[in-house]
Amino acid sequence: GQNIDQPTEMTATEGAIVQINCTYQTSGFNGLFWYQQHAGEAPTFLSYNVLDGLEEKGRFSSFLSRSKGYSYLLLKELQMKDSASYLCAVKDSNYQLIWGAGTKLIIKP
Amino acid sequence: SQTIHQWPATLVQPVGSPLSLECTVEGTSNPNLYWYRQAAGRGLQLLFYSVGIGQISSEVPQNLSASRPQDRQFILSSKKLLLSDSGFYLCAWILQLRGNEQFFGPGTRLTVL
Repeated sequence: GQNIDQPTEMTATEGAIVQINCTYQTSGFNGLFWYQQHAGEAPTFLSYNVLDGLEEKGRFSSFLSRSKGYSYLLLKELQMKDSASYLCAVKDSNYQLIWGAGTKLIIKP
Repeated sequence: SQTIHQWPATLVQPVGSPLSLECTVEGTSNPNLYWYRQAAGRGLQLLFYSVGIGQISSEVPQNLSASRPQDRQFILSSKKLLLSDSGFYLCAWILQLRGNEQFFGPGTRLTVL
């Protein structure tokens, strides 16, 4: 079967750094995505990794290791507006997205 | 630029009633279209996707159906809603299967009572 695992919930402090992990087992791999979803809203795209390594985009970075079936999203200089769910998704051999259940990130002042 | 619309934004329906949710995309041609459902605190469950007019693939057997009568229109329907159909319904598009990010509509919050 296909499986995406993420922690259910994480808590961090404003101004700090947090790393959200994602492990996957899918039939084929054509890229890994991270999306941000605020409560009651649609997901919005954050990052895309298809090759091993780190992709940096402002305060957000995403890392991929295909051999380990592992990715993480790193958020720096946390702001209160970063409180949201972060969804990990993998595009499988049929180019369909397989979604994790999401990690709810709570930022405390 | 491309935009994606969904309506209604919220809906409360009794068990056994019919359903019709509509999604339209502007600013692009021949998109791949998707219907997802998200239960509270859960990930996205792919319900249907379409690569063209009249072409629908179903991912999960259930009492829902989908249709694509026009290139940029995708409709989700049910003849009789169940309590378990409650959730957040999201329409998404991508220009081609090998493309990258999916773009999501604003979603419809459906509550079945």
